[in-house]
Amino acid sequence: DAKTTQPTSMDCAEGRAANLPCNHSTISGNEYVYWYRQIHSQGPQYIIHGLKNNETNEMASLIITEDRKSSTLILPHATLRDTAVYYCIVRVTSSNDYKLSFGAGTTVTVRA
Amino acid sequence: GAGVSQSPSNKVTEKGKDVELRCDPISGHTALYWYRQSLGQGLEFLIYFQGNSAPDKSGLPSDRFSAERTGGSVSTLTIQRTQQEDSAVYLCASSFGVFYEQYFGPGTRLTVT
Repeated sequence: DAKTTQPTSMDCAEGRAANLPCNHSTISGNEYVYWYRQIHSQGPQYIIHGLKNNETNEMASLIITEDRKSSTLILPHATLRDTAVYYCIVRVTSSNDYKLSFGAGTTVTVRA
Repeated sequence: GAGVSQSPSNKVTEKGKDVELRCDPISGHTALYWYRQSLGQGLEFLIYFQGNSAPDKSGLPSDRFSAERTGGSVSTLTIQRTQQEDSAVYLCASSFGVFYEQYFGPGTRLTVT
């Protein structure tokens, strides 16, 4: 069973914020939310992760709801280079949970 | 800083030949992982290194696949007697340790003809 659900695709206008939702209603207390993306013909790229507090880095912001059942990845000013498949996963940061596995993700297309 | 690098970026080989794929992890990262991704498919875990040892080789598809890591840094994935079903993008990732986020290299696209 998939631990996360994401929309299949979304479009975004260049220069606008892109808000990518992810549902993880069965998340456990010790599971973190991670976001990766994969631009066509490139390796996956780590974006951000968080447990329960909102997080921000140079790439994006991660907003996690108080009940932790869903989250939103925000790309504040999308560019054409942000066109990619975005993956939301949950994982326990333990010695037994290092095998990354991505679902179908959200295909984000940034349009000029 | 420098990210994970992999070489070659592309490799075309004939069925039955051996190939070696190289991964240079981020300096200071003790954990190193190999995955492969077939066209349009998800990630398939192959092997995990902590330092020079491989506590988890469970994802290696057959005994034709082997990997080593020397000096706690560079890793080589070797595929012997390649088959057409080995064609895929082979990805290497590294992290500070198993608890940390993984950073991927650009991958090696292997085509077996």
